[in-house]
Amino acid sequence: QVQLVESGGGVVQPGKSLRLSCAASGFAFRGYAMHWVRQAPGKGLEWLAIIWYDGSNKYYAESVKGRYTISRDNSQNTLYLQMNSLRAEDTAVYYCARDLGTKYLDYWGQGTLVTVSS
Amino acid sequence: DIVLTQSPATLSLSPGERATLSCTASHSVSSYLAWYQHKPGQAPRLLIYDASNRAAGIPAKFSGSGSGTDFTLTITSLEPEDFAVYYCQQRNIWPFTFGPGTKVDIK
Repeated sequence: QVQLVESGGGVVQPGKSLRLSCAASGFAFRGYAMHWVRQAPGKGLEWLAIIWYDGSNKYYAESVKGRYTISRDNSQNTLYLQMNSLRAEDTAVYYCARDLGTKYLDYWGQGTLVTVSS
Repeated sequence: DIVLTQSPATLSLSPGERATLSCTASHSVSSYLAWYQHKPGQAPRLLIYDASNRAAGIPAKFSGSGSGTDFTLTITSLEPEDFAVYYCQQRNIWPFTFGPGTKVDIK
C-alpha cells in the first residue's frame, strides 16, 4: 500500500536551516508529482510547494518562496524540503503528500514536527 | 491569491444527523475544488475532488456540489468516525490554497 514517511523534524533556532525527507513506498514514485503542506499549532492546512514527477517544475507559496526548496531523488524514492532562514512562524507539522494527477493530494504522510525556537 | 472561506467554523451535530458544510472562494475556481477530512494525529484524507467526484474508497454518504465560487460538502447520517475537521482546497490558480476548516463535533 502507499506509504509516505516524513523525517528530519526537530527543534531549530531562528535563522538556521533544516532539511525534511519523505520516504515513499508502495507506488511508482517517479511517476507522481509531490507536495509539501504544513499545519501550524491550532491552525489550518497551508499548501507550501509542489514538484513535478521528474523535477522539471516547482511552485511555491509566497510565504516560503526564496527560503524553501523542494526537490526529489527518484532513484531513492525520496522527496525533500530544504528550509532556510527559519522563523518562529515556520513552526508546524510538515506533511508530504502525493498528487492524484490532477493537483489534488490523495495520500499523505503522518507529518513531522518542526519547532523554531531559541 | 484565492481566499477560501468556510462556514460554519464549528458544526455541532448528533450521530445520525446530516452535515452541510460550505466553502466560498474569493474568485471563481471553476470546479477545481477538493474536500479533505482531518483527524488529530492522523494524515488528512481526500474525500472529494473536482467539486463532486468521490475519491477512491470514499463512501457515498459523502457528496460534494457547486461550481464557481460556492461549494458544499454534505455528509448524510453522521457516524462517530465522521467527527473531524473538514477543509476545502482549490487548485485552479497558483498558489493552491486551503480554507480555514470546519470542525464537525459531537453535540
